[in-house]
Amino acid sequence: EAGVTQFPSHSVIEKGQTVTLRCDPISGHDNLYWYRRVMGKEIKFLLHFVKESKQDESGMPNNRFLAERTGGTYSTLKVQPAELEDSGVYFCASSQVVAGATGAYNEQFFGPGTRLTVL
Amino acid sequence: GENVEQHPSTLSVQEGDSAVIKCTYSDSASNYFPWYKQELGKGPQLIIDIRSNVGEKKDQRIAVTLNKTAKHFSLHITETQPEDSAVYFCAGGSNYQLIWGAGTKLIIKP
Repeated sequence: EAGVTQFPSHSVIEKGQTVTLRCDPISGHDNLYWYRRVMGKEIKFLLHFVKESKQDESGMPNNRFLAERTGGTYSTLKVQPAELEDSGVYFCASSQVVAGATGAYNEQFFGPGTRLTVL
Repeated sequence: GENVEQHPSTLSVQEGDSAVIKCTYSDSASNYFPWYKQELGKGPQLIIDIRSNVGEKKDQRIAVTLNKTAKHFSLHITETQPEDSAVYFCAGGSNYQLIWGAGTKLIIKP
C-alpha cells in the first residue's frame, strides 16, 4: 500500500512568489493534516481536513496560506505571496479512525515533507 | 497557549546503553501521547503511544511512561542500536489535535 506522498520534495522561491504544495494521502483516509516545522523547533499544526471539509484551521498563520482538498482526495497548500518566515518543512499526514479495545484510534501517517526555502 | 516541552534537544549515548527523552505538557485535558521517530529524508513515524488511563506501555526495547499528576511522559530506549539514531518527537493532545515537542536528536555512538 502506498504511503502519504508529497510534492515537491524541495522548493526554493523568492520572497513574493507563490508556491503550491501537494499532498496525496493514503487511499481511504478521511483525515488529512498539514503541519510545519521551522528549523529545530516543534512541529506546528496548521489545519485538519475531514474529507473535503476544513475541520480545524486554527493553526494557519495568516491569509497568505490557502489549503484545499477538493473531492476529499489530495490536498494543496498554497502560499501567496511567500515571505522569508515561511521557510521550513511542511508535512502532511493522513489517518482513518478505527475502533479499538480502548477506544477510537487515530494513528497519523506522515509524508516525507516538502522543504520550502524562501530567499 | 498550550504547549509540550521536550528535553534534551540532543542526546548522545554509547551503543548498548539506554536513552531517555522527557516531555511535559500543559493541557490537563490531554489524553493521548504518541511518540514519533523521524529518520533522515523521511516523515515522522509512530513508534509507540500511550493513553491517559495507562501509566506505562512497553514494546520490545522501547517503553513509555506517563505521570498525569506531574503532566510528564518519557520515552525509554534500552540496548540502543545504530538504527535508533534519528529525531524523536513527543506529542500530547487528543485523537484529533496534537501539540508537538521540538524534537530530540538521538545519536548512537559506536
